[in-house]
Amino acid sequence: DGGITQSPKYLFRKEGQNVTLSCEQNLNHDAMYWYRQDPGQGLRLIYYSQIVNDFQKGDIAEGYSVSREKKESFPLTVTSAQKNPTAFYLCASSIRGEQYFGPGTRLTVT
Amino acid sequence: AQSVTQLGSHVSVSEGALVLLRCSYSSSVPPYLFWYVQYPNQGLQLLLKYTSAATLVKGINGFEAEFKKSETSFHLTKPSAHMSDAAEYFCAVSDRRTSNTGKLIFGQGTTLQVKP
Repeated sequence: DGGITQSPKYLFRKEGQNVTLSCEQNLNHDAMYWYRQDPGQGLRLIYYSQIVNDFQKGDIAEGYSVSREKKESFPLTVTSAQKNPTAFYLCASSIRGEQYFGPGTRLTVT
Repeated sequence: AQSVTQLGSHVSVSEGALVLLRCSYSSSVPPYLFWYVQYPNQGLQLLLKYTSAATLVKGINGFEAEFKKSETSFHLTKPSAHMSDAAEYFCAVSDRRTSNTGKLIFGQGTTLQVKP
């Protein structure tokens, strides 16, 4: 069954700690994306990658980092430099301009 | 820059009534357009998309949308609302000139409430 998995569903961290969110896809898509979702603000693009070993900053990349060592995987690290990291994070992949989304990870930092 | 505006952050309808969710875009070149639905604490699911074929696009769950170039709009409709349609709906646009990146610009979202 093809799709995108994100783990964990819920994640809790203390302020000042880095945390890595997992995103895996078995759709054989080249492009992958990370979005942040806050109430009333829609989806904002953090980073995207069109091919292995290459990625570009989105609109709100500050305080985040990514890697793309494998086609299937696009992990996102939320660093301690991110001022307001508590949010719902969505990963997506795309083919022919159509994006497919994972179930999301809700990160809470206290 | 490309932008998407969804008119109304909250829309409330009665079960069985018409659903109309409004989306306008800004682009000098007709873009690709999408509607996604999101249920609480879940990812987004594609409802339908316009990519320059028929201007009236039919999607899943009885939804459809009409691309109107003269109005730069892509409103989402459903003739008869069901309780299960209660969710958040996002309109998104992809600029044809940069569509090879797959990047989408999303509207702010509209929460649809369906009253019994």
